[in-house]
Amino acid sequence: GENVEQHPSTLSVQEGDSAVIKCTYSDSASNYFPWYKQELGKRPQLIIDIRSNVGEKKDQRIAVTLNKTAKHFSLHITETQPEDSAVYFCAAGLHSGGGADGLTFGKGTHLIIQP
Amino acid sequence: NAGVTQTPKFRILKIGQSMTLQCAQDMNHNYMYWYRQDPGMGLKLIYYSVGAGITDKGEVPNGYNVSRSTTEDFPLRLELAAPSQTSVYFCASSGMGQGYGYTFGSGTRLTVV
Repeated sequence: GENVEQHPSTLSVQEGDSAVIKCTYSDSASNYFPWYKQELGKRPQLIIDIRSNVGEKKDQRIAVTLNKTAKHFSLHITETQPEDSAVYFCAAGLHSGGGADGLTFGKGTHLIIQP
Repeated sequence: NAGVTQTPKFRILKIGQSMTLQCAQDMNHNYMYWYRQDPGMGLKLIYYSVGAGITDKGEVPNGYNVSRSTTEDFPLRLELAAPSQTSVYFCASSGMGQGYGYTFGSGTRLTVV
């Protein structure tokens, strides 16, 4: 089955700086790579996703890059703000016609934004 | 449009007791999932369903059962609760209208004592 490794487990950055979280996956058949943000005591929420036919996707201060050859993908957050503090999860899996098959999640990165 | 609704939000069970975690979605999504989240371990897939009448095991199915009699509902059954099942349980759904990303329910915090 799929295995997703996520690093680092904790990341502390100064407000206004950039943050980068990296993930690797093992199954070359995976074609869908979402990122979720989870605030303390809340449900995970999708913030951005990318499919294997695209190398990069950007949404305001958030971007995701995908390297299919190396089987790794990364989340980039620029101009970090206090509200970016949360746990971020990457995931990998197969996307088919009706939706996403069971995703495999990384263990999460606790992002701390220092004022 | 409520999205994904999970009940109950909290529950304490004694070892050996049984319970059903309810999950319902009103987005007409074909795909539904159950995950458990343990501290520092991310989310692990228990069971999932690609449509009414179809269910499949995920990574950690032992001790759980599911059914999918309708598109809307996907209950998770614990038959003989064990301390190892203490966790936060999330139900999720996905479908074409969401760009394939999951919509999660608010979670059920279960403690087995």
